[in-house]
Amino acid sequence: NAGVTQTPKFRVLKTGQSMTLLCAQDMNHEYMYWYRQDPGMGLRLIHYSVGEGTTAKGEVPDGYNVSRLKKQNFLLGLESAAPSQTSVYFCASSPGVFSSNQPQHFGDGTRLSIL
Amino acid sequence: DAKTTQPPSMDCAEGRAANLPCNHSTISGNEYVYWYRQIHSQGPQYIIHGLKNNETNEMASLIITEDRKSSTLILPHATLRDTAVYYCIVRGYSSASKIIFGSGTRLSIRP
Repeated sequence: NAGVTQTPKFRVLKTGQSMTLLCAQDMNHEYMYWYRQDPGMGLRLIHYSVGEGTTAKGEVPDGYNVSRLKKQNFLLGLESAAPSQTSVYFCASSPGVFSSNQPQHFGDGTRLSIL
Repeated sequence: DAKTTQPPSMDCAEGRAANLPCNHSTISGNEYVYWYRQIHSQGPQYIIHGLKNNETNEMASLIITEDRKSSTLILPHATLRDTAVYYCIVRGYSSASKIIFGSGTRLSIRP
């Protein structure tokens, strides 16, 4: 069982470069999420999606964009990377609203450094 | 969403029960209490959740006070592999898409 798969696992960017992080889940979950975790801190929600074609802002959405063109994939984009976006990024998924008491399943993270 | 308060760190001897407290005094009636843990730098791992009754699974037990303002996660026989940061989270039906992670409790298991 793959669960939630994130690619790439590591990446180093220069300030101003752009990139896309990919999250894929094979559990047919409706909800998907992107979080960031800075050293010594808990996870903070960037954006989330409650279904294919829909996205919404979380706690810290600035500087990021997302897309959910396919149910199984949730993409996180950085249009112009900044050093403040150096972090570990986690993707998660969970069943839909009618199973709202179900837990989120997390990927193993993408470690992103912006120089 | 209700906020939670946890001690920043705790330790426990290997083989003993680890009891991790969480305060959630502003919890509302339709909000669940969830526990996750994060081992080293891996993705958070779901442990257990409950609404008002005590819950038990193969990993842990969750004790929720009658007024639901606090809860305790119990790892019955802690091992070194239980060393992790443990997060207590309150999550409601209407805000199912928003899980707010606090700073958690760093649990250290002593050999």
